[in-house]
Amino acid sequence: EPEVTQTPSHQVTQMGQEVILRCVPISNHLYFYWYRQILGQKVEFLVSFYNNEISEKSEIFDDQFSVERPDGSNFTLKIRSTKLEDSAMYFCASSEGLPKTAQETQYFGPGTRLLVL
Amino acid sequence: AQKVTQAQTEISVVEKEDVTLDCVYETRDTTYYLFWYKQPPSGELVFLIRRNSFDEQNEISGRYSWNFQKSTSSFNFTITASQVVDSAVYFCALSAYNTDKLIFGTGTRLQVFP
Repeated sequence: EPEVTQTPSHQVTQMGQEVILRCVPISNHLYFYWYRQILGQKVEFLVSFYNNEISEKSEIFDDQFSVERPDGSNFTLKIRSTKLEDSAMYFCASSEGLPKTAQETQYFGPGTRLLVL
Repeated sequence: AQKVTQAQTEISVVEKEDVTLDCVYETRDTTYYLFWYKQPPSGELVFLIRRNSFDEQNEISGRYSWNFQKSTSSFNFTITASQVVDSAVYFCALSAYNTDKLIFGTGTRLQVFP
């Protein structure tokens, strides 16, 4: 069964460093997302991406964050200068399409646990 | 504004007990979808079910069942004859028309003891 994959599973970094989290969405999906979950808290939407551009972003997704689809399979989240409060589990998700219709199921990857020291 | 409330922070049951996880949602949209996801101790988010706002039929899948009631804005999840493998955090989520994001509740941690 197709699934979303994410690498790395864990990343430890120093405050101020740049990190890139990688995701391979399900192959026929057109819509991609990043969410984060601070330890013990709820899952929060960061950004959605469709047709090679950001479709929607939350207030969390400030200038420190960027997303990219560098090739036909990968989808990345870059944090330019990490802060302590960026420590969280980051989930990538994908869905088949039909943006902004509410009906698409988002399938999540296993997450990348980021720890900023 | 959209909101999902899962008032039960943590529930503990003994194996074979039935357990219901509550979910109450708020939205002004007439078209919306409701979801349940499971997060086992390994951390991934596993999709369980999707329901649209026009379909209030209850759904059963094995030991799992879902009760959607628009009159009370609730979408509750029942596990029948719980098993230790059901131990996880369960999230209810809402998506509304004209937005991409899923809005999650705070989750309910279910612990099933042998």
